[in-house]
Amino acid sequence: QVQLVESGGGVVQPGRSLRLSCAASGFTFSSYAMHWVRQAPGKGLEWVAVMSYDGSNKYYADSVKGRFTISRDNSENTLYLQMNSLRAEDTAVYYCARETTWMAATEYWGQGTLVTVSS
Amino acid sequence: QSVLTQPPSASGTPGQRVTISCSGSSSNIGSNTVNWYQHLPGTAPKLLIYKNNQRPSGVPDRFSGSKSGTSASLAISGLQSEDEADYYCAVWDDSLNGWVFGGGTKLTVL
Repeated sequence: QVQLVESGGGVVQPGRSLRLSCAASGFTFSSYAMHWVRQAPGKGLEWVAVMSYDGSNKYYADSVKGRFTISRDNSENTLYLQMNSLRAEDTAVYYCARETTWMAATEYWGQGTLVTVSS
Repeated sequence: QSVLTQPPSASGTPGQRVTISCSGSSSNIGSNTVNWYQHLPGTAPKLLIYKNNQRPSGVPDRFSGSKSGTSASLAISGLQSEDEADYYCAVWDDSLNGWVFGGGTKLTVL
C-alpha cells in the first residue's frame, strides 16, 4: 500500500534553515509528481510546491519562492523540501502528497511533520 | 486571502443535504478541473472528489461535485456525524502557475 512518511520537522530560529524529507513506499516513486502542502496553526491548507516525476519541472507558491527548494532522489524514493530564511509565518504542519496523474489530484498524503519557527 | 472563496462554515442535521461552494476565476476554476478534500485536524487530508465530479474508490456516493463556469460545489447528502470536518476545494491556477486551495469550510453536524 502507498505510504508517505515525513520527517525533519522541529523548532528552528527565524532566518535559519531546515530540510524536510518524505520517504515513499508501496508504489513506483519515479513515476509520480510529488507535492508539499502545509497548514499553519488555525489556518487552512496552503499548497507549497510540486515537482514532476523526473525532477524536470518544479513550481512554487509565491509565499516560498526563492526561499524553499523542492527536490527528489528517485533512487532513494525520497522527496525533500529545503527551507531557508525561515520566518514565523512558515510555522505549520508540512504534508507531502503524491499526485495521481490521471486524476490530476493529490490522492495520497502523509501524516505531516510540524515545523515551528520561533526564537 | 485565497484566490478561491469558500464560506467559512456550514451546518446541517443528520440526514440533511448540504452544499459547499467554491468561487474562483477564469484562470483557475474557469479553465481547470476542481478537486475537493476532507480534512480532520491532525490527520492526512482525504481526496473526496477529483476532476469536478469524480469519486475515488471508497468514497461514498453521498458526496458529489459539480462545476459551472468559475464556480464549483460539493454536495453531501444523508449527512452523518462523521462528516463533521473541514472541506477544501483545490485547482491549478494558470496565472499563478501553481495549485491553490480555498480557505476551507468547517462543516458542523448539529
